[in-house]
Amino acid sequence: GNSVTQMEGPVTLSEEAFLTINCTYTATGYPSLFWYVQYPGEGLQLLLKATKADDKGSNKGFEATYRKETTSFHLEKGSVQVSDSAVYFCALSDQGAQKLVFGQGTRLTINP
Amino acid sequence: EADIYQTPRYLVIGTGKKITLECSQTMGHDKMYWYQQDPGMELHLIHYSYGVNSTEKGDLSSESTVSRIRTEHFPLTLESARPSHTSQYLCASSELVGQGQETQYFGPGTRLLVL
Repeated sequence: GNSVTQMEGPVTLSEEAFLTINCTYTATGYPSLFWYVQYPGEGLQLLLKATKADDKGSNKGFEATYRKETTSFHLEKGSVQVSDSAVYFCALSDQGAQKLVFGQGTRLTINP
Repeated sequence: EADIYQTPRYLVIGTGKKITLECSQTMGHDKMYWYQQDPGMELHLIHYSYGVNSTEKGDLSSESTVSRIRTEHFPLTLESARPSHTSQYLCASSELVGQGQETQYFGPGTRLLVL
């Protein structure tokens, strides 16, 4: 079945560091791919998405490119801030079942 | 940004009590979902609905039940709460815009503690 595997956390960085959170997927067909962010005590917020191969999603300085050849959707940001501390979830849309399949989440902490 | 609301945000109750967690959305979305999120962060789909009068069980078995009498409202009920039900419950909704093109939007969550 479809699945999403994320880089294991927790990840701790200093402010202004470069961020990469790896995400790879297994899917049949052509799923859409998503990154969600969950700040402490809140629900999930859609951060960015890509609906087809080679699409780049971007928002708030974060980017991710849909790479079909490597089945990846890695999240990147050039210079992180303390306010980026949160849990990040990679997800794909399961076309057959019309559900989202989530990765296990990666906790990111940014130190000043 | 989607408008999806959950109440209460926090709830502490005793074992055996009946509770209903409310979820409402104002976008007219057809599909709605309930997830249970454990302390390890992983999300588990427990219920979903394609529209009015449609409810389906999700991937994780749950003792809760749901109903969908109105498009905007998708409450979750626990008839007799137990400590094992302690968790965060997240509601979401999405539009049906074709296969693989739906986007889910989440509410702020209800954090439940059963003593």
